[in-house]
Amino acid sequence: DTAVSQTPKYLVTQMGNDKSIKCEQNLGHDTMYWYKQDSKKFLKIMFSYNNKELIINETVPNRFSPKSPDKAHLNLHINSLELGDSAVYFCASSQESGGYTGELFFGEGSRLTVL
Amino acid sequence: GEDVEQSLFLSVREGDSSVINCTYTDSSSTYLYWYKQEPGAGLQLLTYIFSNMDMKQDQRLTVLLNKKDKHLSLRIADTQTGDSAIYFCAESMNSGYSTLTFGKGTMLLVSP
Repeated sequence: DTAVSQTPKYLVTQMGNDKSIKCEQNLGHDTMYWYKQDSKKFLKIMFSYNNKELIINETVPNRFSPKSPDKAHLNLHINSLELGDSAVYFCASSQESGGYTGELFFGEGSRLTVL
Repeated sequence: GEDVEQSLFLSVREGDSSVINCTYTDSSSTYLYWYKQEPGAGLQLLTYIFSNMDMKQDQRLTVLLNKKDKHLSLRIADTQTGDSAIYFCAESMNSGYSTLTFGKGTMLLVSP
């Protein structure tokens, strides 16, 4: 069983389109994240949700909207896609209550290419 | 990533030791981590060290922490071709959530 799964794995789309990436974790963790990894492998946090509540919202354009229907899911919707949005988007989860280790469990990534 | 610096590339021969270095700027960092990313995959935690420790050893991995110089290193003994990957250093403050700041990653290439 995949612990953190993301779909789709690859996404190619035109500028201006709207797209979504879905993430699910079956680890029973209470916190989920979206990270963006650019072409130089630089990894930057975008959002974090704890028990469905937004706790971290870095300086990300309003075109990006995360949604957490329950604590096992965190989806990312992107409106009006731009060329600079091309990157690999990683979902991750962690268990923050009951002892802290800071261990993030990552999905395999969703490679978004905007043409 | 601007608070965590790593060299971008390291090449070693199979069987040699690899040492990957990292410097960080936040002296209040509580935990420091090494993550490994294999091609086409997500990051995977290799090891972590509390800021009150100087060294941690786990099989072929040795982590050294110099808090005075804000320097963290990862030594891989008897490096194998399967160790070829990108290694990310990360720091975190125990602010209640895993607010990790990652370095830009060091690509380790192990040749036979």
